[in-house]
Amino acid sequence: AQSVTQPDIHITVSEGASLELRCNYSYGATPYLFWYVQSPGQGLQLLLKYFSGDTLVQGIKGFEAEFKRSQSSFNLRKPSVHWSDAAEYFCAVAIRTGGGNKLTFGTGTQLKVEL
Amino acid sequence: EPEVTQTPSHQVTQMGQEVILRCVPISNHLYFYWYRQILGQKVEFLVSFYNNEISEKSEIFDDQFSVERPDGSNFTLKIRSTKLEDSAMYFCASSDSLYGYTFGSGTRLTVV
Repeated sequence: AQSVTQPDIHITVSEGASLELRCNYSYGATPYLFWYVQSPGQGLQLLLKYFSGDTLVQGIKGFEAEFKRSQSSFNLRKPSVHWSDAAEYFCAVAIRTGGGNKLTFGTGTQLKVEL
Repeated sequence: EPEVTQTPSHQVTQMGQEVILRCVPISNHLYFYWYRQILGQKVEFLVSFYNNEISEKSEIFDDQFSVERPDGSNFTLKIRSTKLEDSAMYFCASSDSLYGYTFGSGTRLTVV
């Protein structure tokens, strides 16, 4: 069965510092990969997605992610973090089914930004 | 930009009562989903719906749950007899065949 692992439950970075959030997946076929961000009490906002092609994907808010098939990873990066980036980040893998795409989420990484 | 709309944003219900959570998916999407997030936990798949029938459901989606697309625009999740452990944020989502997977802002269900 497919799974997503986000090994870091909490990460704290200083404003202006670089950020990397780790995501590893387990899935037998070519994965479709997503990163979502969730602010407290809010919904899920899509940051970026990878389906095929260029393995470096650009998203909103200055985020990017790199798909590495050999490492089964899809890590999220940002060169300079802003205080407003404090939120919870979820990595997800989509499984094609007859009725669409089912997303399997990781447990999330809570990002705290120190001013 | 098209949105998935969920109502209500917050619902409080007594244990044993029936609740209906409502969603308006993006109009040209064909696939509809419900997910659940218990406070502090990850988002979990409940059910997918396509061509007016359930295409896949998780083990969470037992006989207490049902989904319906009653009028071609709304997509509802019904919990027949709520339990305390049903308290969670429920997210509706819709997608076209592969791209454009969009979540609503969620309904926070509190069972007391």
